[in-house]
Amino acid sequence: GDSVTQMEGPVTLSEEAFLTINCTYTATGYPSLFWYVQYPGEGLQLLLKATKADDKGSNKGFEATYRKETTSFHLEKGSVQVSDSAVYFCALPIGAGSYQLTFGKGTKLSVIP
Amino acid sequence: KAGVTQTPRYLIKTRGQQVTLSCSPISGHRSVSWYQQTPGQGLQFLFEYFSETQRNKGNFPGRFSGRQFSNSRSEMNVSTLELGDSALYLCASSLGDRRHGYTFGSGTRLTVV
Repeated sequence: GDSVTQMEGPVTLSEEAFLTINCTYTATGYPSLFWYVQYPGEGLQLLLKATKADDKGSNKGFEATYRKETTSFHLEKGSVQVSDSAVYFCALPIGAGSYQLTFGKGTKLSVIP
Repeated sequence: KAGVTQTPRYLIKTRGQQVTLSCSPISGHRSVSWYQQTPGQGLQFLFEYFSETQRNKGNFPGRFSGRQFSNSRSEMNVSTLELGDSALYLCASSLGDRRHGYTFGSGTRLTVV
């Protein structure tokens, strides 16, 4: 069935370091792909999305490109900040006739000054 | 524009009791989904409602139920609580279009003792 696999971490980086969190997917067709972020004690926030192959989603300095040939949607940021410390989830919608998201297991990012 | 509102934020219940959680979606959103988040199982889909109809249900026992009202507000109910039901319950609303993603609430933290 449709699924996503992401690197689980945890990932610890120094401030201003480059971030990559890998996400690959298995899906029928070309679904939309999403990255969500969860800050401590909060719900999920949509960070960025891509609705078709070769689309690049971007927000708050984060980017991810929907790559059909490698079935990937890796999250990147050129220079992380302490405020980026959170858990990041890759997700895609599954199921016919309804709208259900399946999530990766999440990657916890800690950024140290 | 108000976000997704979940009440209560925190709840402590005793094993065997039942609980009702509430979710008010973003105005105009007709699709509401519920997810359970635990450290061990991650984010798991409970059910999705669209225009008062349950369109899909996850792999949870019948103790977990939900409904959606004509104003799109939704409730989920868990009967005969077990210790393993302790989790963060997240509600999310959407226009119902798979391209746009869900907007999540802050969640209800349920602790069963």
